[in-house]
Amino acid sequence: AAGVIQSPRHLIKEKRETATLKCYPIPRHDTVYWYQQGPGQDPQFLISFYEKMQSDKGSIPDRFSAQQFSDYHSELNMSSLELGDSALYFCASSLYGGAHSNEQFFGPGTRLTVL
Amino acid sequence: GNSVTQMEGPVTLSEEAFLTINCTYTATGYPSLFWYVQYPGEGLQLLLKATKADDKGSNKGFEATYRKETTSFHLEKGSVQVSDSAVYFCALIYNFNKFYFGSGTKLNVKP
Repeated sequence: AAGVIQSPRHLIKEKRETATLKCYPIPRHDTVYWYQQGPGQDPQFLISFYEKMQSDKGSIPDRFSAQQFSDYHSELNMSSLELGDSALYFCASSLYGGAHSNEQFFGPGTRLTVL
Repeated sequence: GNSVTQMEGPVTLSEEAFLTINCTYTATGYPSLFWYVQYPGEGLQLLLKATKADDKGSNKGFEATYRKETTSFHLEKGSVQVSDSAVYFCALIYNFNKFYFGSGTKLNVKP
């Protein structure tokens, strides 16, 4: 079965650079969530989208922005990168109102390293 | 608000030992409860879930029962293997919203 796809899987950037992370949800899923997991930390919710509209916002820095496109894929844009942004970024998708709507399917994550 | 508290690790066990990882939650309403496992350098894998009180989730020998009266969802396995070494996250989701994760418990199983 198709899973959530994230790209790239690994990314190395310098301080103050920008990065774009992409997430392709499971086909027909309309809701996307972004989480950030720092080293040795639990995943923290950043932001979510439902039907291309932001549905919830967590601890996402102002330097970050995200959007969901008409094909439901999502991109997380990160600017002025800081060392503390080094983390594993997960995307998850779900189908709102579906039989398993209270379950999110996680992608493998993008590991961002800021030098 | 919603939150998850799970026992701190690391937990170190010998192979074939019994495993319990405690998880309690605070939630408004009736959440769905999950256990995720994360192997080194990998993403989150769903281990098991329960969507209502008294439901028991089970997978690969792991079990957890949704206890509304004690707001708990403890993870158990009768006989652990070295391959079970990983970090385990308890999590809840409520009303089609975001996940709330516990802090994770690292399990080390020694041969």
